[in-house]
Amino acid sequence: QQQVKQSPQSLIVQKGGIPIINCAYENTAFDYFPWYQQFPGKGPALLIAIRPDVSEKKEGRFTISFNKSAKQFSLHIMDSQPGDSATYFCAASKDSGYSTLTFGKGTMLLVSP
Amino acid sequence: EPEVTQTPSHQVTQMGQEVILRCVPISNHLYFYWYRQILGQKVEFLVSFYNNEISEKSEIFDDQFSVERPDGSNFTLKIRSTKLEDSAMYFCASSPGRAWDTQYFGPGTRLTVL
Repeated sequence: QQQVKQSPQSLIVQKGGIPIINCAYENTAFDYFPWYQQFPGKGPALLIAIRPDVSEKKEGRFTISFNKSAKQFSLHIMDSQPGDSATYFCAASKDSGYSTLTFGKGTMLLVSP
Repeated sequence: EPEVTQTPSHQVTQMGQEVILRCVPISNHLYFYWYRQILGQKVEFLVSFYNNEISEKSEIFDDQFSVERPDGSNFTLKIRSTKLEDSAMYFCASSPGRAWDTQYFGPGTRLTVL
């Protein structure tokens, strides 16, 4: 019940395309859903996050869509660029006060020029 | 911009040896965490630390692991007797407050156990 399932495992899109990465969770106690971006040799860095009181959040070219009833959330990257090539992790946590994150397995995104 | 730092960037050790991984969290942060990422796999939570004690730990964090905040700035992860399967990237993270606060990750220490 603590798992966060992420798909696809890898994704290749052309520059300007809109890659979509999906995540699903079981634990209804999760109430914070961040996405992390990780470049090779670097630590994960917070990209964008959403709480279940809204169905969509947009920051620049990155949008999270959240479906509370389906317990699913997804990341969309508009007008993708080669510099967006990275591994993307979805995650979830509960408001336990200690911010323990449960990560998905990650999606390797390659944006071709 | 303040950032979490970790040393060393790469540690090679023999099986059975003790290793200490070091982290300097962001200075005004209150919560500290260790995660690990085995090559090609997901990031896994190990332990969280608040007010000088462990607040939560995963089943991975067994008796071979310990954490310490020896002074006001460092946060360490010790592995007493390393195993081959401990080879991974270890990330330290810190956050300023409660669950709604963002965790900031360090660049990681790659541990290789031979």
